[in-house]
Amino acid sequence: QVQLVESGGGLVRPGGSLRLSCAASGFTFSDYYINWIRQAPGRGLEWVSYISSNGYTIYYADSVRGRFTTSRDNAKNSLFLQMNSLTAEDAATYYCARSLYCGSDCYSPGMDVWGTGTTVTVSS
Amino acid sequence: QSVLTQPPSASGTAGQRVTISCSGSSSNIGSNNLYWYRQLPGTAPKLLIFGNNQRPSGVPDRFSGSKSGTSASLAISGLRPEDEADYYCATWDDSRSSPVFGGGTKLTVL
Repeated sequence: QVQLVESGGGLVRPGGSLRLSCAASGFTFSDYYINWIRQAPGRGLEWVSYISSNGYTIYYADSVRGRFTTSRDNAKNSLFLQMNSLTAEDAATYYCARSLYCGSDCYSPGMDVWGTGTTVTVSS
Repeated sequence: QSVLTQPPSASGTAGQRVTISCSGSSSNIGSNNLYWYRQLPGTAPKLLIFGNNQRPSGVPDRFSGSKSGTSASLAISGLRPEDEADYYCATWDDSRSSPVFGGGTKLTVL
């Protein structure tokens, strides 16, 4: 079935780095834009980044630009989020989410497939 | 502070109809499609409404979305205990060149 599965979360010290992964299955991964969305404990949803289907176009929220890097490997049906210079404000559950298909070079903020999330804790 | 404004809470009794509002501006709701998500406790969000008022396959017609100007609303009819969840609106913001979410509304079924 159509599925996204995140991994790589854990405990990291402030200033540290972490790399999250998102494994896709059940659909043609290379056709879709994919997002990273995060949710701090007890808080709402925050868009973090999205990457185009071919990986050439990547956008970031202001809160993470310059510290986080999104990439993908379509041959391995995988998405990645490299997070550097982490702070307490980055502590959250991170979800990867597939954007609705609207064309080969089209981004939709509607997200129809979500992973179960991976939790990042930033603490000394 | 979220770009889109939702009431933090809403409630209704089983069988009732409830609506959840989402307010924005001309750069987001006023010029782009609106999406609604439901997040049950401890689970990932699920797409409820896309394109302002379209339901993905499998979403019952108890859920309906509407948009007018810079505001939108989600209506849930025939409220059920399992509808108790957090509901989020989302859209694209032209000024920010990014997707934006509402702060979420916690729906309680009394």
